[in-house]
Amino acid sequence: GQNIDQPTEMTATEGAIVQINCTYQTSGFNGLFWYQQHAGEAPTFLSYNVLDGLEEKGRFSSFLSRSKGYSYLLLKELQMKDSASYLCAVRDLIKAAGNKLTFGGGTRVLVKP
Amino acid sequence: EAQVTQNPRYLITVTGKKLTVTCSQNMNHEYMSWYRQDPGLGLRQIYYSMNVEVTDKGDVPEGYKVSRKEKRNFPLILESPSPNQTSLYFCASFPRQGLTYEQYFGPGTRLTVT
Repeated sequence: GQNIDQPTEMTATEGAIVQINCTYQTSGFNGLFWYQQHAGEAPTFLSYNVLDGLEEKGRFSSFLSRSKGYSYLLLKELQMKDSASYLCAVRDLIKAAGNKLTFGGGTRVLVKP
Repeated sequence: EAQVTQNPRYLITVTGKKLTVTCSQNMNHEYMSWYRQDPGLGLRQIYYSMNVEVTDKGDVPEGYKVSRKEKRNFPLILESPSPNQTSLYFCASFPRQGLTYEQYFGPGTRLTVT
């Protein structure tokens, strides 16, 4: 099975940086995803990490350490539109052919002016 | 436009009345999944399909059925809905080949069972 933990809520100021941590325990690991979800809308893909290290994509970066079962999503130069929930999801190696994802509960980020 | 569509978007029904939520994708993706999202529990996978006529259970399959007769469609069937199936449902699809196996989500179906 898999267990994924991320903070429930974070608050930050416009223009600042916020780091959302995700820790996981899994029987098999084949990649970690980050999704953004605005209230009432579908999740949208942000990043995918399968190897250790940092992946940078504009204002968003994602880091993975497989040995520590740890990832973070870094949001820089925060904008009001970044207020959303951020979902960490781990892909199950055992059922990689079926791409079974297990999601954490999500971190709600509130950006204040 | 590449997209995943779901219908209906909103549904209020009564206990025991069979219903189907449709899902369709126009990207020729092999894999499709159904999730439900509940406050505090995140997204949980109900069923997934690796290709036509190939389906498997996710984490919370009880009370649900699926079928995959065509590549583009993956309907979710609730034979006898109960109030604990009140939730927000998402369909997703993704290709077999790809650099990231990114999932594309439909807009969601908000179901209320009274």
